[in-house]
Amino acid sequence: EPEVTQTPSHQVTQMGQEVILRCVPISNHLYFYWYRQILGQKVEFLVSFYNNEISEKSEIFDDQFSVERPDGSNFTLKIRSTKLEDSAMYFCASSKHYGYTFGSGTRLTVV
Amino acid sequence: GESVGLHLPTLSVQEGDNSIINCAYSNSASDYFIWYKQESGKGPQFIIDIRSNMDKRQGQRVTVLLNKTVKHLSLQIAATQPGDSAVYFCAENRESNYQLIWGAGTKLIIKP
Repeated sequence: EPEVTQTPSHQVTQMGQEVILRCVPISNHLYFYWYRQILGQKVEFLVSFYNNEISEKSEIFDDQFSVERPDGSNFTLKIRSTKLEDSAMYFCASSKHYGYTFGSGTRLTVV
Repeated sequence: GESVGLHLPTLSVQEGDNSIINCAYSNSASDYFIWYKQESGKGPQFIIDIRSNMDKRQGQRVTVLLNKTVKHLSLQIAATQPGDSAVYFCAENRESNYQLIWGAGTKLIIKP
């Protein structure tokens, strides 16, 4: 069964550093998403991406965040200058239309 | 404001019994609803979905019921097993975009 793959599974970074979270969506999917989940809280939408551009983003997705699909396969989330409150699980998802498939997540710990 | 929420944060069920997890939503424009299961340290796993033109949909051991009149969604799990222990989230999707709006989650505990 096709999977959404995320790497790394866990990343520890110092406050102020840049991080790039990587995702390989399912190959024939058209829509790509990033969500995050702070420990013990609900999943929050960050951004959706379609046709090589952001289609929607939340208030969380400020200027410190960016997404890219550099090579038609990978889908990345960059946080330019991490803050302590960025510590969370970050989930990538993809879909053809409806029916999202989520990756297993990257646990980002900012120290 | 618009929201998707769950009535109970934790539900304990005896193994083998049926469980019902409830969810309320407030936006009548939502046309697609999904239940996800999340085990500790893992990403959300799709369980079952339902569109707003349906009242009921069944899967393997799971049934989703949608009551549009009262904006209520429920997930029924039959003959619960230890592996059903997880946090269950409902999520709604609106026709105008593809963003999922998530509920707070219900932790289901299956007692042996």
